[in-house]
Amino acid sequence: QQQVKQSPQSLIVQKGGISIINCAYENTAFDYFPWYQQFPGKGPALLIAIRPDVSEKKEGRFTISFNKSAKQFSLHIMDSQPGDSATYFCAATLSGSARQLTFGSGTQLTVLP
Amino acid sequence: DAGVTQSPTHLIKTRGQQVTLRCSPISGHKSVSWYQQVLGQGPQFIFQYYEKEERGRGNFPDRFSARQFPNYSSELNVNALLLGDSALYLCASSIGQFMNTEAFFGQGTRLTVV
Repeated sequence: QQQVKQSPQSLIVQKGGISIINCAYENTAFDYFPWYQQFPGKGPALLIAIRPDVSEKKEGRFTISFNKSAKQFSLHIMDSQPGDSATYFCAATLSGSARQLTFGSGTQLTVLP
Repeated sequence: DAGVTQSPTHLIKTRGQQVTLRCSPISGHKSVSWYQQVLGQGPQFIFQYYEKEERGRGNFPDRFSARQFPNYSSELNVNALLLGDSALYLCASSIGQFMNTEAFFGQGTRLTVV
């Protein structure tokens, strides 16, 4: 019940294209959903985050879409660039006890030049 | 300002040995969390410390322990190392005790158990 399922495992996109990564959860007590970007040899870095009281959040080329009824959320990267090539993780925290991040399994994004 | 710093960056240990990993949080951050990231998987929560007290523990055996010092730095100890403990160990710091505000991760310590 505390899992966050992420897909696809890997994604190849042409430069300028849209990258879409999806996550699903079961536990309705999750109330904070961040996305992290990780480059090889580095720790994860927070990209963008959303709470379930909004359906969409946009920051630059990155957008989170959130569907509370379906218990799904997704990351859209517009105008994807080779520099976006990295591993992306969705995550979630539980309301009232947000002491840990529960991560998805990751998506390795490759943006071809 | 320095980010979250972890030491050492790489470590090779033999099965059965003990290891200590270190983390210095961002200045002003009082919470430190530890995560284990096995190759090809997402990070898994190990511990959270806030104001020098353990506030959360993940599903890891008692071979794993940690502590937080008065300056908010932290150590993660793993005893009786197994091959399966080989992973990237990540430290994250945040201002408050909850992770639903921005948490900053260090670069991690790559532990290899042979």
